[in-house]
Amino acid sequence: AQSVTQLDSHVSVSEGTPVLLRCNYSSSYSPSLFWYVQHPNKGLQLLLKYTSAATLVKGINGFEAEFKKSETSFHLTKPSAHMSDAAEYFCVVSGTGRRALTFGSGTRLQVQP
Amino acid sequence: DTGVSQDPRHKITKRGQNVTFRCDPISEHNRLYWYRQTLGQGPEFLTYFQNEAQLEKSRLLSDRFSAERPKGSFSTLEIQRTEQGDSAMYLCATTWSNSYEQYFGPGTRLTVT
Repeated sequence: AQSVTQLDSHVSVSEGTPVLLRCNYSSSYSPSLFWYVQHPNKGLQLLLKYTSAATLVKGINGFEAEFKKSETSFHLTKPSAHMSDAAEYFCVVSGTGRRALTFGSGTRLQVQP
Repeated sequence: DTGVSQDPRHKITKRGQNVTFRCDPISEHNRLYWYRQTLGQGPEFLTYFQNEAQLEKSRLLSDRFSAERPKGSFSTLEIQRTEQGDSAMYLCATTWSNSYEQYFGPGTRLTVT
């Protein structure tokens, strides 16, 4: 079985300050991990993915995530928040076989001007 | 726009009515997944197809739900005798067999009154 826990349901930052969205995973094998973003009234968009290559993964719009096996974490970061980053972010794990995605409960990122 | 389309985007129905949703995948994708997302939660896996074969159904998929993918192209998800608890966003995602990355459609938002 696999699962993800997003440690914060809501994060608020000021524009231009760093963003940290935390995610811990549980998996009985080497997982593939993803971050997806969902803007209001828009579809899910893939930000970045980890599939057992480099542990530091770069994504779109300046986001990065680091896979830490010892800590079972896959936190999402961005050096400087922009107003357009305000959205819901999901940490996701994929298993073997059917490879259906297991989503965390989401973190709502609010960016203050 | 990921190239995955869903129709309709919104559906309001009365309790007890049947509804059908459609998903049109990216043409070369042979795997198709259905997920359900309720308010404030991440999407949950419902079922998936490899070409025209439905390979797995989640326990969330009650007997009132049925999905098809004739000829391995578009897919339909039907809910019979809708209940208020069926109100949710229904998401379709598609990919290739050897890929972990899924491309999501914009979803169909169902409201059961």
